[in-house]
Amino acid sequence: SQQGEEDPQALSIQEGENATMNCSYKTSINNLQWYRQNSGRGLVHLILIRSNEREKHSGRLRVTLDTSKKSSSLLITASRAADTASYFCATDASGGGTSYGKLTFGQGTILTVHP
Amino acid sequence: NAGVMQNPRHLVRRRGQEARLRCSPMKGHSHVYWYRQLPEEGLKFMVYLQKENIIDESGMPKERFSAEFPKEGPSILRIQQVVRGDSAAYFCASSPDSGSRETQYFGPGTRLLVL
Repeated sequence: SQQGEEDPQALSIQEGENATMNCSYKTSINNLQWYRQNSGRGLVHLILIRSNEREKHSGRLRVTLDTSKKSSSLLITASRAADTASYFCATDASGGGTSYGKLTFGQGTILTVHP
Repeated sequence: NAGVMQNPRHLVRRRGQEARLRCSPMKGHSHVYWYRQLPEEGLKFMVYLQKENIIDESGMPKERFSAEFPKEGPSILRIQQVVRGDSAAYFCASSPDSGSRETQYFGPGTRLLVL
């Protein structure tokens, strides 16, 4: 399996429900990031969590990181139809210091929020 | 402050032709990354450049692909003698010179179709 694998591959929910997506990875990391991609568009950075952090919040987003299990989760609360997109986790396992940069992306979770 | 610019947004080439993809990073960013996304897949790292230097090209195919980021002007990803398997979306990202280098800001992508 690849570094940065998300599950589920697809998630379909009703507006107002919470959506949880998980990401697993294999190597030690400097940080883990979540991105969102609308169909046929570029990626939008959502949130970054560093290896020494366990939880982070941004608006309706909550990200957790468990480095012992090499896993992360993204929770979107009170989902909206506009949240419909693909969500990717990306890990930075480069040397740190000045050598950040090589992100390894998972396959993504396709989230569909029905109005 | 304009975001990361990529052009062209769509590019059609016949097998054997050359494809040139351009990326202008955000103002104040001197770190540029190129990623490739095949249909229904996540992004795959190709190359990381700083001004006039290739820092990490571990994701670049050994043949036909090259990248540069000159002192003046945009970063260029060049694909010579394109083949159908090169059809993909190519994304450029940039990050700042400051300590918040971890976050990469993505452009809208160039969708290359090889006929």
